[in-house]
Amino acid sequence: GQQLNQSPQSMFIQEGEDVSMNCTSSSIFNTWLWYKQDPGEGPVLLIALYKAGELTSNGRLTAQFGITRKDSFLNISASIPSDVGIYFCAGQPSSGGSNYKLTFGKGTLLTVNP
Amino acid sequence: KAGVTQTPRYLIKTRGQQVTLSCSPISGHRSVSWYQQTPGQGLQFLFEYFSETQRNKGNFPGRFSGRQFSNSRSEMNVSTLELGDSALYLCASSSPKGGGYNEQFFGPGTRLTVL
Repeated sequence: GQQLNQSPQSMFIQEGEDVSMNCTSSSIFNTWLWYKQDPGEGPVLLIALYKAGELTSNGRLTAQFGITRKDSFLNISASIPSDVGIYFCAGQPSSGGSNYKLTFGKGTLLTVNP
Repeated sequence: KAGVTQTPRYLIKTRGQQVTLSCSPISGHRSVSWYQQTPGQGLQFLFEYFSETQRNKGNFPGRFSGRQFSNSRSEMNVSTLELGDSALYLCASSSPKGGGYNEQFFGPGTRLTVL
């Protein structure tokens, strides 16, 4: 099955710094999603990307759908303490029959030092 | 609009028992997916239901099953629990978008502990 490699696994940064994380896949995806999960809660959808090359922002967050359709990145600018959490990438494979199944990366644990 | 709700939030069972978890999707959403989340394996897809039919299934043993009712509420059942079934079980609902993709919205999860 499809595998998503998400990096880095964890990041420890100072408040105000910018953050970048990415996901790569061995196969083509037709949709990329980025979620954030707080302790004890379910993932919350941050950004959805539908077209290769698409660049989308949500406040201080910016994500891009790679032109090869095998990768995506998420940037967080001017980090604040409430950005702490686990960030997941997820993709919907392009192969037929899997349109309704998301594949998730292992997550990036972000810690922000005030 | 109310979000996805899952009950119970926490559950403790012993090996060999069975468990049923419940998920109520966002109003109007007809697709419900279930995931298992563990520290070692991350988020693993269990199955997806749409209009009371299972459309897609992950690589889990037959002890894991689910169903969906006519009001789109869904339940998943795990029989003969094993220690390794301890996990956060997440439900996500979605509504079809053009092109076939569904944006999935997650509930808070049910934390299952098997002793």
